[in-house]
Amino acid sequence: KNEVEQSPQNLTAQEGEFITINCSYSVGISALHWLQQHPGGGIVSLFMLSSGKKKHGRLIATINIQEKHSSLHITASHPRDSAVYICAVTSWNAGNMLTFGGGTRLMVKP
Amino acid sequence: DAGVIQSPRHEVTEMGQEVTLRCKPISGHDYLFWYRQTMMRGLELLIYFNNNVPIDDSGMPEDRFSAKMPNASFSTLKIQPSEPRDSAVYFCASSLALGPETQYFGPGTRLLVL
Repeated sequence: KNEVEQSPQNLTAQEGEFITINCSYSVGISALHWLQQHPGGGIVSLFMLSSGKKKHGRLIATINIQEKHSSLHITASHPRDSAVYICAVTSWNAGNMLTFGGGTRLMVKP
Repeated sequence: DAGVIQSPRHEVTEMGQEVTLRCKPISGHDYLFWYRQTMMRGLELLIYFNNNVPIDDSGMPEDRFSAKMPNASFSTLKIQPSEPRDSAVYFCASSLALGPETQYFGPGTRLLVL
């Protein structure tokens, strides 16, 4: 079993819909990261969080440390949000290296 | 700052050839990471450096892979000899510190070994 599991693997939405991507992890973490990878490959760090909630524009990331679960929400989705969203954790037990989930491929249709 | 710079962006080579990938981290970042991304295995850490010193190379797949960081502004990942199964996107990333710290990724090098 992977230490970081994401769901769903693939997601198709209509423009304007509210989107949720989930991430569960099985280890104690020092931080959880949400990354975005657009077609063409570049990876951008969206959020790093260890508790509570963070918001940036239409993106919101939440984390529940007790349940070992995080969600990434996109409000008023737009076709330009189409990308692969990757959850990753850093864990004291793993030398603080990034351990990645498998990614969620999101397509937002106009 | 220009961000993490990688070259080349694309590389096509034939099996058996030597491949060298290059990375310039963000100035002032003490940590540099090399990752490989494939469809089958996703993103994997190959090796990371702290202050130019290799710290953990347990992710390097085999002896055909080697990485160096001769100074704070330059690192290379070399594959010799290359094989078709090495085809992947190779990312370099840098950060100020380890752990709960944002890593900044380069644009990646897309490698195809024929």
